[in-house]
Amino acid sequence: DQQVKQNSPSLSVQEGRISILNCDYTNSMFDYFLWYKKYPAEGPTFLISISSIKDKNEDGRFTVFLNKSAKHLSLHIVPSQPGDSAVYFCAAATQGGSEKLVFGKGTKLTVNP
Amino acid sequence: DAGVIQSPRHEVTEMGQEVTLRCKPISGHDYLFWYRQTMMRGLELLIYFNNNVPIDDSGMPEDRFSAKMPNASFSTLKIQPSEPRDSAVYFCASVTAGTGLGLIPGELFFGEGSRLTVL
Repeated sequence: DQQVKQNSPSLSVQEGRISILNCDYTNSMFDYFLWYKKYPAEGPTFLISISSIKDKNEDGRFTVFLNKSAKHLSLHIVPSQPGDSAVYFCAAATQGGSEKLVFGKGTKLTVNP
Repeated sequence: DAGVIQSPRHEVTEMGQEVTLRCKPISGHDYLFWYRQTMMRGLELLIYFNNNVPIDDSGMPEDRFSAKMPNASFSTLKIQPSEPRDSAVYFCASVTAGTGLGLIPGELFFGEGSRLTVL
């Protein structure tokens, strides 16, 4: 049973526009969330994270929003660039000492020039 | 630092053969993770080690899978015998607890992966 769900396998946007990637989770014990980016033939790399005590975290063009009541988070990329084309994984964990990140299946983002 | 190093990058083998995947974590990292990526299930945690000791292997799919970490700089994931459904990309990742207060979930450093194809 998928505890972290990324329901959109793919997303295509135009360069310069906003990309919004969504993620839902079912385990209410999760209190720390991360996004990883993965290029073909490479390993995932950490992008941005958010703790459940916040509802927004921003890093340059990347912003993650967390809606705890809806058990939903989203990653916004503004403006989108062709180099952002990659697979984006949402991940969740508990801060109580768990070392186990639970990943979603990923969303493939394509940014068209 | 060279990052997490995995070998081989690609492996094609026949059903029934033994497969050994190797990982060198980043020096100083005291946690090591093995993940498997498939289209159907995404990234799944198979097993992780802390200070070379296996902590949780509940993600290991079957007894055909085994993992070892004989020292802080080397780990193996072995599949014996291999089956076509084992075909996937296997990732190794490492991280340090840093403060020693316990691992704060966050930035795992992944290797480039080993793509396994079992015919």
